[in-house]
Amino acid sequence: DQQVKQNSPSLSVQEGRISILNCDYTNSMFDYFLWYKKYPAEGPTFLISISSIKDKNEDGRFTVFLNKSAKHLSLHIVPSQPGDSAVYFCAAIGRSQGNLIFGKGTKLSVKP
Amino acid sequence: DSGVTQTPKHLITATGQRVTLRCSPRSGDLSVYWYQQSLDQGLQFLIQYYNGEERAKGNILERFSAQQFPDLHSELNLSSLELGDSALYFCASSVGAANSPLHFGNGTRLTVT
Repeated sequence: DQQVKQNSPSLSVQEGRISILNCDYTNSMFDYFLWYKKYPAEGPTFLISISSIKDKNEDGRFTVFLNKSAKHLSLHIVPSQPGDSAVYFCAAIGRSQGNLIFGKGTKLSVKP
Repeated sequence: DSGVTQTPKHLITATGQRVTLRCSPRSGDLSVYWYQQSLDQGLQFLIQYYNGEERAKGNILERFSAQQFPDLHSELNLSSLELGDSALYFCASSVGAANSPLHFGNGTRLTVT
């Protein structure tokens, strides 16, 4: 049973436009959420995080939104750049667990 | 560069064999995690160590074992290998505090033939 779901395996966006990556979770005990970016032949790199006490966190072009009632979070990238092309993983952790639970990832392609 | 070093980068071996994957965490990080990524799958948590002791266990098979040494490097041992064990194995490290981000190595790609 997948506790963290990224239902879109891929997303294609034009350079300069907004990229919106979505993530749903089922475990209400999750209280911290993270996004990681992964380029081919490299390990995932931490991008941005959000605590369950917040509904938005912003870092430059990246903003993460959390909707606890819907158990949904999203990552917005504005404006999108070709260098943002990568696989994005959503991850979650709860106080009762010691490990991050990852989604299967969404491959973002930003076209020039 | 995440500061986490994994060796080897690639490993090709036959079914039934045993391999050891090695991980050196970032300087100062006490916690080491192992994840498996199979084709079309997300990162599956295997096991976590903190300062030499096992802290959390995920979906790790009995044929797999790990340890963290006094110098904080970690090894993941995979034995009686099967074709389905072919995957990318990632090591990550963190300072160990709650919600501290994980820093991943570039992975070891294991191919079992």
